[in-house]
Amino acid sequence: GAGVSQTPSNKVTEKGKYVELRCDPISGHTALYWYRQSLGQGPEFLIYFQGTGAADDSGLPNDRFFAVRPEGSVSTLKIQRTERGDSAVYLCASSLNPGSWEAFFGQGTRLTVV
Amino acid sequence: GESVGLHLPTLSVQEGDNSIINCAYSNSASDYFIWYKQESGKGPQFIIDIRSNMDKRQGQRVTVLLNKTVKHLSLQIAATQPGDSAVYFCAENTGTASKLTFGTGTRLQVTL
Repeated sequence: GAGVSQTPSNKVTEKGKYVELRCDPISGHTALYWYRQSLGQGPEFLIYFQGTGAADDSGLPNDRFFAVRPEGSVSTLKIQRTERGDSAVYLCASSLNPGSWEAFFGQGTRLTVV
Repeated sequence: GESVGLHLPTLSVQEGDNSIINCAYSNSASDYFIWYKQESGKGPQFIIDIRSNMDKRQGQRVTVLLNKTVKHLSLQIAATQPGDSAVYFCAENTGTASKLTFGTGTRLQVTL
């Protein structure tokens, strides 16, 4: 595709449920990032992948959050036992390589935990 | 922790005027700064970046100024257009090629 694609666009889930959020980066981009954005705030870093490996997961808030990128392309952010405080827009971005700061963001997945 | 912040939450300018959006940062170790534009319902869009060894960089209708002495960053938009209406974020890289720290954003409203 032409840009970073995230699915679903919106997700409503009940407290305690498990959710998966998907990110399709721009083809050929080796670096992939997940951010979380609460209403009225700037994006907050969660995790960064270089290829298949998570090079920096220091932003993950707790062990309920996990992300994978098994083939170095598509990434899935997984949230277990969702809480109402997890409600936010989850943004994915990719860049050609870690040294390129022209990161391209997807439109985000709006997660609402009820 | 150290963070990036903005002086003004909302800026209203008339179409055709120049806009200046300001940002203060606190981490003197940051070596890379970026401005992003975010329209409603969309992800942030890269506008322009600047390295810490520079004090000015120009793009198309945009200029970023960096003052390391007072830890201040600004984005200047020339001849502001209605399509420039959005929230603008500054972000900093704290030395690793892995993550950005974003400020809370400034909403730019362009009036006709």
